[in-house]
Amino acid sequence: AQSVTQLDSQVPVFEEAPVELRCNYSSSVSVYLFWYVQYPNQGLQLLLKYLSGSTLVKGINGFEAEFNKSQTSFHLRKPSVHISDTAEYFCAVTVNAGGTSYGKLTFGQGTILTVHP
Amino acid sequence: DVKVTQSSRYLVKRTGEKVFLECVQDMDHENMFWYRQDPGLGLRLIYFSYDVKMKEKGDIPEGYSVSREKKERFSLILESASTNQTSMYLCASRPNREVVYEQYFGPGTRLTVT
Repeated sequence: AQSVTQLDSQVPVFEEAPVELRCNYSSSVSVYLFWYVQYPNQGLQLLLKYLSGSTLVKGINGFEAEFNKSQTSFHLRKPSVHISDTAEYFCAVTVNAGGTSYGKLTFGQGTILTVHP
Repeated sequence: DVKVTQSSRYLVKRTGEKVFLECVQDMDHENMFWYRQDPGLGLRLIYFSYDVKMKEKGDIPEGYSVSREKKERFSLILESASTNQTSMYLCASRPNREVVYEQYFGPGTRLTVT
């Protein structure tokens, strides 16, 4: 079975500063990785996903993530954050188990990013 | 645009009541999921359905059941609500294709059991 660990439960940062939200995963088979964002009082929205190929993945709202297979990590980064980036961020993993996986996701515990003016 | 809707944003129920949470998607997706979200625990899968009338248990099915009579609708049922089921419940759907297709989420239902 796979698991996901988000290393920081809360990350406070000032506006226009860079930010990194850390995610490590564990799996015995190949994985596909996702980052979702949840704005206050809303459902989850996909930020980006890693499927294969280039290890640097670009997503919406200026976010990017780097897949590192040797370190089993998929950290999310943004060079300059805005107040509007305040939200909870979830890292998730799924495995290619053929037709029976149905795209089930295993989520990390979430990281609350708070951007201060 | 994919749309996943949930019947209520906020719900307050009493201990022992039978509770129905409804989820509807408009994109003809085969797969539908119910999660509960608790602070510090992330999202945990309760049940999912891969087709009409087909369902499988997720990681935390105890105390819950589900129903999928039509493709677009997936219901979560709390047979006898308890205070430890106070939580945020999220529904999601996706097409039954390769795993690379992401899940689309509804806005959530915040359930309080008193």
